[in-house]
Amino acid sequence: NAGVTQTPKFRVLKTGQSMTLLCAQDMNHEYMYWYRQDPGMGLRLIHYSVGEGTTAKGEVPDGYNVSRLKKQNFLLGLESAAPSQTSVYFCASSQDVYEQYFGPGTRLTVT
Amino acid sequence: GEDVEQSLFLSVREGDSSVINCTYTDSSSTYLYWYKQEPGAGLQLLTYIFSNMDMKQDQRLTVLLNKKDKHLSLRIADTQTGDSAIYFCAEKEVAGYALNFGKGTSLLVTP
Repeated sequence: NAGVTQTPKFRVLKTGQSMTLLCAQDMNHEYMYWYRQDPGMGLRLIHYSVGEGTTAKGEVPDGYNVSRLKKQNFLLGLESAAPSQTSVYFCASSQDVYEQYFGPGTRLTVT
Repeated sequence: GEDVEQSLFLSVREGDSSVINCTYTDSSSTYLYWYKQEPGAGLQLLTYIFSNMDMKQDQRLTVLLNKKDKHLSLRIADTQTGDSAIYFCAEKEVAGYALNFGKGTSLLVTP
């Protein structure tokens, strides 16, 4: 039981490049979330999903897109990366709305 | 979201008790969480409490809630060097999905 896994662990992008971050969970959780963590700040919610095929905007959705084609996977896309998107990205999942379990994070640098 | 406030730094000696404090502002019924983040790792859910409770104890951890003052604390008994980490307080509305995080308290345990 691996829990929540994230791919890749690290990535460096040039401004304007695109990439997709993959989150996978093997706990059969209904809900999945993408957060970003910036230095000296708590986590902020980017997008979330309440079930397969659904997505919704969080607090800071601009510049990101998501997809939940399979229940176990939640993808976060950056179509045209900007330096302001340099951050650590965390995925989380939960079976109910109470307990969110987090992955190890992806450290993204945009130059 | 509304602000969740935490002190940024706490230093204690090994074997002493640690008390990490948090204030929240959301007046609606809510869940309140404590997460632990070790260097380079994701967030680990330690415990959570519903806002109609006063206290919750789980082994070395005690959570106290003062609803009148909207103050939450996490007490770690017999603090060990392995408890050194960043501790995040977070709140969530009962009907909502997003966790609203504080900026985290960095706990340093010295021998």
